[in-house]
Amino acid sequence: AQKVTQAQTEISVVEKEDVTLDCVYETRDTTYYLFWYKQPPSGELVFLIRRNSFDEQNEISGRYSWNFQKSTSSFNFTITASQVVDSAVYFCALSEAWETSGSRLTFGEGTQLTVNP
Amino acid sequence: NAGVTQTPKFQVLKTGQSMTLQCAQDMNHEYMSWYRQDPGMGLRLIHYSVGAGITDQGEVPNGYNVSRSTTEDFPLRLLSAAPSQTSVYFCATHRAYGYTFGSGTRLTVV
Repeated sequence: AQKVTQAQTEISVVEKEDVTLDCVYETRDTTYYLFWYKQPPSGELVFLIRRNSFDEQNEISGRYSWNFQKSTSSFNFTITASQVVDSAVYFCALSEAWETSGSRLTFGEGTQLTVNP
Repeated sequence: NAGVTQTPKFQVLKTGQSMTLQCAQDMNHEYMSWYRQDPGMGLRLIHYSVGAGITDQGEVPNGYNVSRSTTEDFPLRLLSAAPSQTSVYFCATHRAYGYTFGSGTRLTVV
């Protein structure tokens, strides 16, 4: 069975600090997808990134970067020079192959990030 | 292009009442699913459908029914609401591992 763990329940930083959100996953599939979503106070889920299991290249998008390491089953998310608008709950999620689980998404518990001015 | 539309956005029910949460999509995706979000537990899969006429249970299906008569609609039914079903509910569709979520329904059962 697939599982996602976000050990950090809450993180509080001061604006302009860098912050890393940890995500550890478990799966028996060799083909899977990893995701990060942002949930601002308004409540909607905002897609940030999708990564497939065959692409271990790190990715950078503006102030956001992601570090995917299959050796440690981790997919960590770093925000550089954090801003107040980054305050939100962040979810890591995993989807196994369609044949395994109908490609259902399994979410981590979420990390509440608060960026203080 | 609306994507995934959930109605209502907010609902208060009394214990024992029934209701249907609506989910409609205009993306022609075969796969639809329902999740509930509770504090500290992330989102958990309730039921999902891989196409019209086909549904299956997810992680927390008890107390909920679904049906899928058309590609566009995937309603979630609570037959006898309980306080434990107080939650935020999200409907989602996907194709090729690209997921689209509705804006959510906040349900309170008193």
